[in-house]
Amino acid sequence: AQRVTQPEKLLSVFKGAPVELKCNYSYSGSPELFWYVQYSRQRLQLLLRHISRESIKGFTADLNKGETSFHLKKPFAQEEDSAMYYCARIVDNQGGKLIFGQGTELSVKP
Amino acid sequence: EAGVTQSPTHLIKTRGQQVTLRCSPISGHTSVYWYQQALGLGLQFLLWYDEGEERNRGNFPPRFSGRQFPNYSSELNVNALELEDSALYLCASSLLLGTGELFFGEGSRLTVL
Repeated sequence: AQRVTQPEKLLSVFKGAPVELKCNYSYSGSPELFWYVQYSRQRLQLLLRHISRESIKGFTADLNKGETSFHLKKPFAQEEDSAMYYCARIVDNQGGKLIFGQGTELSVKP
Repeated sequence: EAGVTQSPTHLIKTRGQQVTLRCSPISGHTSVYWYQQALGLGLQFLLWYDEGEERNRGNFPPRFSGRQFPNYSSELNVNALELEDSALYLCASSLLLGTGELFFGEGSRLTVL
């Protein structure tokens, strides 16, 4: 079965420190991967997608096919980055079904 | 522009009862997704509707069912409720099929006693 795995339930860093949220996916030829974020008392929302190769709020994510990873990175964490982060992928050959990892809670301390 | 709306926001049921949750997508969005977010389990894919038809179904028993109406709103029905059905049920809509860009509602929190 195609999966998305986020090995860390909680990641705690200090403000200004680099942050890396890990995401691994089961093998796929051409995965379509995403990061979603949920800030406190807000809706789950799309943060970025790998196909766009964009940086949003200072976050980037690079697809590494060799390691089947799509880690989310930011060089200098801010307190407002504290949130739940979910990695997601479109399941191959199922027309657009989107599945999510378990989520990682990022806590940025002052 | 109004976002995805879900109702009710909270409800409490007892084992064996039935529940219907409702979702209105963003205007113009034809795809509706349902996810279950139980404590500690992340988002589990339940159902996906597009243009009134069920496109895909997650690994849930048949007592979880739903439908999409001509105006693209959707219902999720759960029969014979069990304690483990207690969860936040999230609905999301999408404008373009297969893009992975979903717009989520705030969810319906179901507690089964």
